[in-house]
Amino acid sequence: EADIYQTPRYLVIGTGKKITLECSQTMGHDKMYWYQQDPGMELHLIHYSYGVNSTEKGDLSSESTVSRIRTEHFPLTLESARPSHTSQYLCASSESTGLNSPLHFGNGTRLTVT
Amino acid sequence: GQQLNQSPQSMFIQEGEDVSMNCTSSSIFNTWLWYKQDPGEGPVLLIALYKAGELTSNGRLTAQFGITRKDSFLNISASIPSDVGIYFCAGHHSGGSNYKLTFGKGTLLTVNP
Repeated sequence: EADIYQTPRYLVIGTGKKITLECSQTMGHDKMYWYQQDPGMELHLIHYSYGVNSTEKGDLSSESTVSRIRTEHFPLTLESARPSHTSQYLCASSESTGLNSPLHFGNGTRLTVT
Repeated sequence: GQQLNQSPQSMFIQEGEDVSMNCTSSSIFNTWLWYKQDPGEGPVLLIALYKAGELTSNGRLTAQFGITRKDSFLNISASIPSDVGIYFCAGHHSGGSNYKLTFGKGTLLTVNP
């Protein structure tokens, strides 16, 4: 089983608040990802990282930002949350070796912005 | 990015029945992965396929990497209530970044006891 952890599991906040969603993995994976998923819908890649100090935008435009200062940690920040940001955010990582390694997912953070 | 067409979108079956779902693409993929997602959880990897024609089983689950490298199917035999969830196919497209997965839109499986 993959050891990748996301906190908080659930978050309800008001519009305009700054929030950070935490993601940590203990497997030493270089590659990490953030996906956005509406309930029962497909996954959309919003950010990824190949390693420390490497971050890239994904396929779906997002107002969130990410940082990768440590291998194990890949937090996602929203400077000013809006109701349109309400969604589930899934963090994932994959092995450093092998070009086509499967992704291992955390349990997600379900964000509601009121 | 490249699209994966996953079907069916949803299935309602009786416990004990077999299930089949598939993904197709107009493009060639290097890998095919099948994930299951329970409500409120993250997707969990069920089966990974790396070679055209590869047939792999994981308990009651069987998946195959199509010979053309443009499709894959997942079969579940003798379904049980805990098989309920959303099943996603995913793959690494041969012409795209090797680090990014393309996901299908999912198949929602409901099993009636």
